[in-house]
Amino acid sequence: DAKTTQPPSMDCAEGRAANLPCNHSTISGNEYVYWYRQIHSQGPQYIIHGLKNNETNEMASLIITEDRKSSTLILPHATLRDTAVYYCISPSYNTDKLIFGTGTRLQVFP
Amino acid sequence: NAGVMQNPRHLVRRRGQEARLRCSPMKGHSHVYWYRQLPEEGLKFMVYLQKENIIDESGMPKERFSAEFPKEGPSILRIQQVVRGDSAAYFCASSEGTGSNQPQHFGDGTRLSIL
Repeated sequence: DAKTTQPPSMDCAEGRAANLPCNHSTISGNEYVYWYRQIHSQGPQYIIHGLKNNETNEMASLIITEDRKSSTLILPHATLRDTAVYYCISPSYNTDKLIFGTGTRLQVFP
Repeated sequence: NAGVMQNPRHLVRRRGQEARLRCSPMKGHSHVYWYRQLPEEGLKFMVYLQKENIIDESGMPKERFSAEFPKEGPSILRIQQVVRGDSAAYFCASSEGTGSNQPQHFGDGTRLSIL
């Protein structure tokens, strides 16, 4: 798997955009970038994934740099319920297992 | 549209007993994955199965652990002769197909406690 690096923690005010960065400088051309989050005591929740182009869905936006060495997950209007650990994962093309690192602990405050 | 269903949510066993954890994948999904999360640690891959086949069991402990995904019914993760160190949250995920463009969707896990 491409090694991903994330800051251990971030804070965000409720209602503001939360921008979570991820570095994946060794990513290969056919490896996707996935984002999951885990709210305390729940299972990981799939958020979004992308290869080269920016992606948007009802939960978030994913911005991937042109060289694909880094990406940013954007939660446009963070709420208290977005407090969670966010994982950036880039599985190897020929494997089906996800390797979870330590992620970024996002704390949304009122 | 039901998600991945795991049961039981909580399971308590005494040392030496057997634990059976069940996972029903999302409708239309034929690929199942099991992960384990020890207290205060990240999720670790255990095994990947398709219907009636184990595809990758590289994360499974060599002894006491087994998994199956029969033609009919849920996937089962079985732990024989449980020990205290087996206490963890066990998560199941499913995907529609294989390959790196197929997101895995997770259930809410089974929390196993060993007395």
